[in-house]
Amino acid sequence: GAVVSQHPSRVICKSGTSVKIECRSLDFQATTMFWYRQFPKKSLMLMATSNEGSKATYEQGVEKDKFLINHASLTLSTLTVTSAHPEDSSFYICSARGPGQQETQYFGPGTRLLVL
Amino acid sequence: EDQVTQSPEALRLQEGESSSLNCSYTVSGLRGLFWYRQDPGKGPEFLFTLYSAGEEKEKERLKATLTKKESFLHITAPKPEDSATYLCAVQARMVQGAQKLVFGQGTRLTINP
Repeated sequence: GAVVSQHPSRVICKSGTSVKIECRSLDFQATTMFWYRQFPKKSLMLMATSNEGSKATYEQGVEKDKFLINHASLTLSTLTVTSAHPEDSSFYICSARGPGQQETQYFGPGTRLLVL
Repeated sequence: EDQVTQSPEALRLQEGESSSLNCSYTVSGLRGLFWYRQDPGKGPEFLFTLYSAGEEKEKERLKATLTKKESFLHITAPKPEDSATYLCAVQARMVQGAQKLVFGQGTRLTINP
């Protein structure tokens, strides 16, 4: 299957700092990438959808100025959590999908963020 | 509104004890139903995609089936390494914009040796 990587796998930061998470599709071109957040023992919550070269579409309730998404190439999307606070601590997971309307989403391994 | 409901929420089986997980859905035009496996602290791992009622797919001890209202993930003679959370998701048709997945809450499966 297709491979999606995320970096870093876990990060600890101080409150007020910004954190960038990278998501890469390693063996296919990802025309669309998705960013999810997952709380303990809960399902995935979609935060935003990004298409290469265009602005991300954010889900209702997700602050676009706080969670900055960039999809600059067909293999890389980044999520920047700006001015992070303890309530932003969570498990962030990206997924990527290739061209075609029925393509499967392949998920990265996730990034555990802890804001102190 | 598109909805996905998985049952049971948690399931404990003995090794070798076959069972089924259920995923009921309501969606305005199904483009695909997906099953994923998620281990603790990791991202979901793709298992199957089903597109139309009557379709079945198999992989090792797992078999997924689809009807117009629900999908089943059958686990035959499971082993402890099959323990994980199994997620079901549907992709709906949209007039415009990217099709997004709607996830169920998952079924936490534990296989005891």
